[in-house]
Amino acid sequence: DAGITQSPRHKVTETGTPVTLRCHQTENHRYMYWYRQDPGHGLRLIHYSYGVKDTDKGEVSDGYSVSRSKTEDFLLTLESATSSQTSVYFCAISERPGGQTETQYFGPGTRLLVL
Amino acid sequence: AQKITQTQPGMFVQEKEAVTLDCTYDTSDPSYGLFWYKQPSSGEMIFLIYQGSYDQQNATEGRYSLNFQKARKSANLVISASQLGDSAMYFCAMREGYSGSNYQLIWGAGTKLIIKP
Repeated sequence: DAGITQSPRHKVTETGTPVTLRCHQTENHRYMYWYRQDPGHGLRLIHYSYGVKDTDKGEVSDGYSVSRSKTEDFLLTLESATSSQTSVYFCAISERPGGQTETQYFGPGTRLLVL
Repeated sequence: AQKITQTQPGMFVQEKEAVTLDCTYDTSDPSYGLFWYKQPSSGEMIFLIYQGSYDQQNATEGRYSLNFQKARKSANLVISASQLGDSAMYFCAMREGYSGSNYQLIWGAGTKLIIKP
C-alpha cells in the first residue's frame, strides 16, 4: 500500500472558521491532489501539485487554497468554512506521467462537517 | 458532454458469477489512460487496474480484467468469480492527453455493485 496519511480523519467545525487538512506521503511522488467526494457528484478535483511550490487549480477550487513546501506534505486550507464544504476530502499521489506510473493512489480520506 | 459514462447506477450479482461493469469514454486525444477504482463501504479508494491507450493487450490483474474496445471507446471492467467482498462502488476514470503539468483524472459517477450470497 502507498504510504499516504491524512490528518485529521474527522473534523467538526463552525461556519466561518479556517480549517487546514494535511496530506503526508512517504513515497517521494512528485504529484499530489486534493479531491472532494459528495453524493451525486463523484470525485471532484480541488487543487493539485506537480512539485514543491508548484500548484494549480482544479474543477472546484473556490474557497480553497493549498500549499506544498516539502515533497511529502500537501496542505489544503478552507479559508472560511461554509456548510457547502461539508464533504469527504481525499488526497492522492502519483509518481510520473506515462503508463501505470501515472496511477493515482489515495489516502484514507477526511470527513469534514461544517455546522 | 460527459467524458466518462457509467450507465449502471447499481447492479446485483450472484456470488461466484462473473460481473461486467460498463464504462464508455469520450476523447479525441490519441494518448489517454483509463483506470478503475473500488470504494468499499469503509470509504477508501482502491486502485484496481490501468489501461493505456497504446497498450496492445487488455490489462489483467488477478480476477480483474479490462475489456478495452478502442473503436467503441469502451473500457469495461470484468470481475471473474465474484465474491461477497466485491460489494462496493466502482469508479471508472480517464487521464486525457498530456498538457504540461496537468494530469487530472476525469471521473465517472460510479456503479454500486452488490454481490448476493
